[in-house]
Amino acid sequence: SFELTQDPAVSVALGQTVTITCQGDSFRYYSASWYQQKPRQAPVLVFYGRNNRPSGIPDRFSGSCSGTTASLTITGAQAEDEADYYCNSRDNNGYVVFGGGTKLTVL
Amino acid sequence: QVQLQESGPGLVKPSQTLSLTCAVSGGSIGSGYNYLSWIRQPAGKGLEWIGRIYSNSYAIFNPSLQSRLTMSVDTSTNQFSLRLTSVTAADTAVYYCATHYSHGGLDYFDYWGQGALVTVSS
Repeated sequence: SFELTQDPAVSVALGQTVTITCQGDSFRYYSASWYQQKPRQAPVLVFYGRNNRPSGIPDRFSGSCSGTTASLTITGAQAEDEADYYCNSRDNNGYVVFGGGTKLTVL
Repeated sequence: QVQLQESGPGLVKPSQTLSLTCAVSGGSIGSGYNYLSWIRQPAGKGLEWIGRIYSNSYAIFNPSLQSRLTMSVDTSTNQFSLRLTSVTAADTAVYYCATHYSHGGLDYFDYWGQGALVTVSS
């Protein structure tokens, strides 16, 4: 199987921009998706593919991918964005892997 | 709006079988590019994909769990089931079912159940 690597923790000042990254060879061939998880809640899809944001997700969430690194950017972080963030991708067998998660703190 | 609800015993003894059901309403899962996946999360840890199943019972499992795993689907009731045999304390986790879009190199989980806590303990 393959691995996706995320920084365990990232912090951002209120109203500033933060980028959460996810590194893995799978991104040479496959797309990333991103999830936000708040304590004691199920994950919520916040961005997927090259340029897709689910209905109801604020447009301050955006995604990109370059080489083996996928990124989720929050432009103008809000207090309610404080959460754990996970990326996922797949391999050519159809197996799905999640990154280890990044805990975002909004200062 | 698709809704998913997991159900099953919250406590399973070591070496026994964990069984969960996911009831889906508001949409047809397992058709087109939409699968049903199971995902688990031990307390304080990250997400682990368990496997996915289509409406015709075609399934792909996480290789690390494959030997202990069975999934099934009842299309008449839109219910999906998970069975994990020979459980140990390492299988203690919140288990989620989620709709899984998979096509063209893109996989994402757009609707999730609330999760079911399963504890493996004697």
